[in-house]
Amino acid sequence: TQLLEQSPQFLSIQEGENLTVYCNSSSVFSSLQWYRQEPGEGPVLLVTVVTGGEVKKLKRLTFQFGDARKDSSLHITAAQPGDTGLYLCAGAKAGNMLTFGGGTRLMVKP
Amino acid sequence: NAGVTQTPKFRILKIGQSMTLQCAQDMNHNYMYWYRQDPGMGLKLIYYSVGAGITDKGEVPNGYNVSRSTTEDFPLRLELAAPSQTSVYFCASSYSIRNTEAFFGQGTRLTVV
Repeated sequence: TQLLEQSPQFLSIQEGENLTVYCNSSSVFSSLQWYRQEPGEGPVLLVTVVTGGEVKKLKRLTFQFGDARKDSSLHITAAQPGDTGLYLCAGAKAGNMLTFGGGTRLMVKP
Repeated sequence: NAGVTQTPKFRILKIGQSMTLQCAQDMNHNYMYWYRQDPGMGLKLIYYSVGAGITDKGEVPNGYNVSRSTTEDFPLRLELAAPSQTSVYFCASSYSIRNTEAFFGQGTRLTVV
């Protein structure tokens, strides 16, 4: 059982569509991060959210941290083929462990 | 800027063989991590370290060992390789656990046959 559950696991959409990816847990995190991973590469940080209820925007990507700091969402507006990749959420827990969710594999078709 | 460097990039092991995956970072980060990633999946934490001389188990430590004799290096040792250890291994580092970016190496693809 993953400490962080991501949904959906897979998503295939057409260019221009909107989508939301969820990251849920029963645990409280001091901060939560979102990474994107390209094939053959390590994950690269997109954003860190720290405060409950916080919303951060990165161009067409909007990230939200839940009020109780147990969940987060990533919304992409007008998806582009360049958004294709594996999206991972990661949370910092007591004991200094940085744990990752199972990932959402996104494919955006032209 | 090298960042996090992992070697080797690829390796094929026979069942029962041993090997060490090397990881080095040049950012003076205190925190280092080893993850494994199975095909199409997220990352599972194997071991982590909060500084030289200090290591602790993650979610899936069985079959692995680590050491942290210096700030820069965090090798991962497989003593008796098993097919279940076929995976891509990522090393990462961060300045601290809170609110800071984890930097990843490019991974080591290990196949145990």
